[in-house]
Amino acid sequence: DAKTTQPPSMDCAEGRAANLPCNHSTISGNEYVYWYRQIHSQGPQYIIHGLKNNETNEMASLIITEDRKSSTLILPHATLRDTAVYYCIVRVGTGGFKTIFGAGTRLFVKA
Amino acid sequence: NAGVTQTPKFQVLKTGQSMTLQCAQDMNHNSMYWYRQDPGMGLRLIYYSASEGTTDKGEVPNGYNVSRLNKREFSLRLESAAPSQTSVYFCASGSDRVSYEQYFGPGTRLTVT
Repeated sequence: DAKTTQPPSMDCAEGRAANLPCNHSTISGNEYVYWYRQIHSQGPQYIIHGLKNNETNEMASLIITEDRKSSTLILPHATLRDTAVYYCIVRVGTGGFKTIFGAGTRLFVKA
Repeated sequence: NAGVTQTPKFQVLKTGQSMTLQCAQDMNHNSMYWYRQDPGMGLRLIYYSASEGTTDKGEVPNGYNVSRLNKREFSLRLESAAPSQTSVYFCASGSDRVSYEQYFGPGTRLTVT
């Protein structure tokens, strides 16, 4: 599974869009990009995933570059409750059982 | 739907004691996982089970054993606890859709003295 690189921390003002980057320059053609978040000490929560097209759901949008070497998770209107550690993961979609979590990005949403 | 449940929520053990962490899911998922998370660190995969009757090692399996009791339940056993196993343990189950997203339990906070 490809390795990912994320900034250790980011700040965002409440109500503004939070844009969290992730580099995955060694991603393979059959690997998906997943995003999870972990609020305080809770179990991680799945947010969104994609292969090569941009994706949007009720929580966030995922923008994947055309060469698939990087992606950005967008929280359109960040709230204080979005303060969390965000993990970017790449792995194969089929039989991708060995999900490896890195250190993630700690997002601080400030009032 | 309760999702993924874990017991106990907290546990304190003395070095050398044994215990089993229990995990159950009601989403009819085939795959289940055990992770540990040390303070300020990301999650590390201990063991996983791709389907009932199968288990495989993850990144940090030493000192642990697992049992996939049935499709719903996946337990993690510490035979002889060590202080280095002080951690938060998360169980997860994996969607059977192509996306394979995982759903996590609330965690078990284990302290070994």
